[in-house]
Amino acid sequence: NAGVTQTPKFQVLKTGQSMTLQCAQDMNHEYMSWYRQDPGMGLRLIHYSVGAGITDQGEVPNGYNVSRSTTEDFPLRLLSAAPSQTSVYFCASSLRRSGYEQYFGPGTRLTVT
Amino acid sequence: AQKVTQAQTEISVVEKEDVTLDCVYETRDTTYYLFWYKQPPSGELVFLIRRNSFDEQNEISGRYSWNFQKSTSSFNFTITASQVVDSAVYFCALSETWRGATNKLIFGTGTLLAVQP
Repeated sequence: NAGVTQTPKFQVLKTGQSMTLQCAQDMNHEYMSWYRQDPGMGLRLIHYSVGAGITDQGEVPNGYNVSRSTTEDFPLRLLSAAPSQTSVYFCASSLRRSGYEQYFGPGTRLTVT
Repeated sequence: AQKVTQAQTEISVVEKEDVTLDCVYETRDTTYYLFWYKQPPSGELVFLIRRNSFDEQNEISGRYSWNFQKSTSSFNFTITASQVVDSAVYFCALSETWRGATNKLIFGTGTLLAVQP
């Protein structure tokens, strides 16, 4: 039981490049989400999913896309990277959509130059 | 607006001291959940505890204890007999109802705890 896994751990992109951050969980969790962590701002929700085929926006969705084709996987796509997207990205999952603790992956540290 | 305030930015203690991390929250919801997470220097976020708004019982888990008081909108975390391994950033979080789900977490800005040997 690996929990929540994320790849890569580190990534450097040039402005305008695109990439996908991978996230997978093996706990059969219904709910998955992406957060970004910035100094002094805590963690902020980017996108979330309440089940396969269902995604919705969080509070800072601009510049990011998600999809959820399976229960296990929830990739985050950066469409055209900008320096403002330099951050640490965390994927999380929880058993259900409401009231359950979320388990976080190890994070991806992204730098956009 | 929903908000979590962790007024203590950094705390430094000597090993074996007790330390309390403060958390004050604001919410309009009548049903909500509060959480504490630990972020050690390695960077991962480790879940510590969940408390729902209807359960004001204090909880103790080993050296950790939590005091939830709805009257003061506080959910404080105490570490007894601190150890160097407790050094980390600790985040308090509040669930927010967002488009029908309550798993959107509002995080405080965290408290950096440094335990000196």
